[in-house]
Amino acid sequence: GNSVTQMEGPVTLSEEAFLTINCTYTATGYPSLFWYVQYPGEGLQLLLKATKADDKGSNKGFEATYRKETTSFHLEKGSVQVSDSAVYFCALSMNTGFQKLVFGTGTRLLVSP
Amino acid sequence: DVKVTQSSRYLVKRTGEKVFLECVQDMDHENMFWYRQDPGLGLRLIYFSYDVKMKEKGDIPEGYSVSREKKERFSLILESASTNQTSMYLCASSSGENIQYFGAGTRLSVL
Repeated sequence: GNSVTQMEGPVTLSEEAFLTINCTYTATGYPSLFWYVQYPGEGLQLLLKATKADDKGSNKGFEATYRKETTSFHLEKGSVQVSDSAVYFCALSMNTGFQKLVFGTGTRLLVSP
Repeated sequence: DVKVTQSSRYLVKRTGEKVFLECVQDMDHENMFWYRQDPGLGLRLIYFSYDVKMKEKGDIPEGYSVSREKKERFSLILESASTNQTSMYLCASSSGENIQYFGAGTRLSVL
């Protein structure tokens, strides 16, 4: 079946450090890929997405590139802020059927001043 | 902005009680979803619905049922709550653009 694997956390960084959160996927076919973010006490919200190979999604300084050859969608940010502290979920959705999302287990990011 | 509202942020119930979790969306979305979120397991799909009165089982439907009588409302029902159903429950909705919008979640404790 389809699945998403992301690095375990927590990831602890100082403000202005470079962030990478790794995500790899297994899918039959060509999925769309997503990063969702969950701030403390809130539901998930879409951070960025990419729908085909070599697409780059970007938002709020975060970027991720859809790499079909390595089945990866790593999340990066050049300079994190304390306000980026949250849980980040990588997810995939097949582009047919009922748009079900398959999530990774989530990676908690803690940014200290 | 899309708004998905879950009726309760926190619930405490007793083992064996019947529990209703309500979710309402205001964007006329066709699809609605119920997930549970547990540490180390991420989000797991319980049930989803693609139209009024239609429902499909997700990955972990056992012990749950759902109801969708109106397009904007999707209810999750625990017929007889058990302690292993203590969890965070998240509702989401989506339309044809393949983006899901989530509510803030209901943290359910079953004692």
